[in-house]
Amino acid sequence: AQSVTQPDIHITVSEGASLELRCNYSYGATPYLFWYVQSPGQGLQLLLKYFSGDTLVQGIKGFEAEFKRSQSSFNLRKPSVHWSDAAEYFCAVDNDYKLSFGAGTTVTVRA
Amino acid sequence: GAVVSQHPSWVICKSGTSVKIECRSLDFQATTMFWYRQFPKQSLMLMATSNEGSKATYEQGVEKDKFLINHASLTLSTLTVTSAHPEDSSFYICSARTTEQGNTEAFFGQGTRLTVV
Repeated sequence: AQSVTQPDIHITVSEGASLELRCNYSYGATPYLFWYVQSPGQGLQLLLKYFSGDTLVQGIKGFEAEFKRSQSSFNLRKPSVHWSDAAEYFCAVDNDYKLSFGAGTTVTVRA
Repeated sequence: GAVVSQHPSWVICKSGTSVKIECRSLDFQATTMFWYRQFPKQSLMLMATSNEGSKATYEQGVEKDKFLINHASLTLSTLTVTSAHPEDSSFYICSARTTEQGNTEAFFGQGTRLTVV
């Protein structure tokens, strides 16, 4: 079964600074990869997804992610974070139609 | 995107009672729904896969008699926590998948906070 690893448990970033969240996946011929965001006490919202094609994926809220097969990575980036970006972020991989989630990265935004 | 509605958002129940959580796909048909459990500061753990008109498939370690899942229609799946105990207190999230041109995408409910006292 495929799996994902999020190496960073917690990241603190200043408002206006850039943000990068790391995600590594286990080998799979054609991984379907996702990034979700979760605000406290809420469900998950899809930021972006990669199925095939262009390896740079644009998502909502100004986020993008780049699929790099050579590094087995699908890192999430945002050029300039806003205070509202403080949340929990989950990387996920499709596992035979079921999603397997990474441990999550908590993002704190300081003024 | 598609909307998945989960009800209730939070519930407090007494130990020994049963609690039912509903998950509805509002604007699409979901042949498959998924139930997750999330402990504080942790990731989502898949509990079971719910297929319309058939028995749910439970993940290893999940008690099927404890967590009853029913998927009676293409828009509704329910999770019933039977004889709830304080250790069942958790955040439960459902999701439903829709197929778009051969690709799949999952949409999540807003979650249900269960507290057993």
